[in-house]
Amino acid sequence: DAGVTQSPTHLIKTRGQQVTLRCSPKSGHDTVSWYQQALGQGPQFIFQYYEEEERQRGNFPDRFSGHQFPNYSSELNVNALLLGDSALYLCASSFRDRSYGYTFGSGTRLTVV
Amino acid sequence: AQSVSQHNHHVILSEAASLELGCNYSYGGTVNLFWYVQYPGQHLQLLLKYFSGDPLVKGIKGFEAEFIKSKFSFNLRKPSVQWSDTAEYFCAVISNFGNEKLTFGTGTRLTIIP
Repeated sequence: DAGVTQSPTHLIKTRGQQVTLRCSPKSGHDTVSWYQQALGQGPQFIFQYYEEEERQRGNFPDRFSGHQFPNYSSELNVNALLLGDSALYLCASSFRDRSYGYTFGSGTRLTVV
Repeated sequence: AQSVSQHNHHVILSEAASLELGCNYSYGGTVNLFWYVQYPGQHLQLLLKYFSGDPLVKGIKGFEAEFIKSKFSFNLRKPSVQWSDTAEYFCAVISNFGNEKLTFGTGTRLTIIP
């Protein structure tokens, strides 16, 4: 059990569509980060949310947006999907001070056709 | 900008062999360092982490890593591997101040032959 829950597990979308991915953090964690993991690569940081605000953003275009809710859960939205957006999207939760590291979910496998 | 290099892309060992996976990072300031493991079809799991103090860090499943600041390295070791250690291993770094971006290496695929 990862402790971090992501849904859905798999998703197939058509180029140009929009997608929303969801994440419930590990109990007690208040900070959520999103990562994109392309095949054969390490995860790439998309952004982090804390206190319902985006705290830091990686090198991803504005088509990638997110939200954090009062219960600390989070959504990742991707607009105008491109073929290159096909990847495993990982959610990681932590305490604000990351004192115990990051706990990752199993991810959502997004395929854009 | 911080970056991580894992020079071994695929390592193949026999059971009971000793393991060392290399990890080098580039960042001049204080860092936190992590090793994660991803078993086939499973989520990333934290093996061990270094924040401060003793540079020799012991993690789960018999793994350990040594932080050598002068070499910007954080190599992962295990004295005797098992078939169940077959997985992908990722080294990651995050700078200590004002940065929330965890930077991962490209990973090392470890295959253990029974």
